[in-house]
Amino acid sequence: DSGVTQTPKHLITATGQRVTLRCSPRSGDLSVYWYQQSLDQGLQFLIQYYNGEERAKGNILERFSAQQFPDLHSELNLSSLELGDSALYFCASNGGGTYNEQFFGPGTRLTVL
Amino acid sequence: AQSVTQPDIHITVSEGASLELRCNYSYGATPYLFWYVQSPGQGLQLLLKYFSGDTLVQGIKGFEAEFKRSQSSFNLRKPSVHWSDAAEYFCAVTGTYKYIFGTGTRLKVLA
Repeated sequence: DSGVTQTPKHLITATGQRVTLRCSPRSGDLSVYWYQQSLDQGLQFLIQYYNGEERAKGNILERFSAQQFPDLHSELNLSSLELGDSALYFCASNGGGTYNEQFFGPGTRLTVL
Repeated sequence: AQSVTQPDIHITVSEGASLELRCNYSYGATPYLFWYVQSPGQGLQLLLKYFSGDTLVQGIKGFEAEFKRSQSSFNLRKPSVHWSDAAEYFCAVTGTYKYIFGTGTRLKVLA
């Protein structure tokens, strides 16, 4: 158990819909990272937050957004969903430095029908 | 551009055999290198990391990796594979704020 929790575990929705994925980092970790893992794209870095502020952006679509709240939990919002958004979404956390190990949550499996 | 290449998508070895998973990176400065393992239905777990110093690093579960700057490689090794090592292995590089992961190598272990 990494100490990172993600909800929900599974999510099934329809094209055009909007969903919110939630992540609670390990106790004391200020940084949260979001990743998308799909069969054809592998593990793609989406975005990083540090203590409530966006720190780095990766291959995140404009239809996707994220935020980190004062209690340090984070939410990833996916809107106007397409079939190709079906994937595993992972959240990871650490103390802040990317040279530090990232602790991964169990992921949320999103299926868009 | 920064990148990580894992040339082997699938590898199959017999239990007890030795293992080497390849990782090549492209990075402009001194990289921080990592190997993570992902078991089915799980998130990623760190096996080992290299920042500086001794180029042979030891990790958990009997894994080790060697950093070779001249070859831009960071290959993962294990002298004797166990059935429980069947998983997907990811090499990653970072130096700023972004992690860049390789596409992964799926390891199958034959009894």
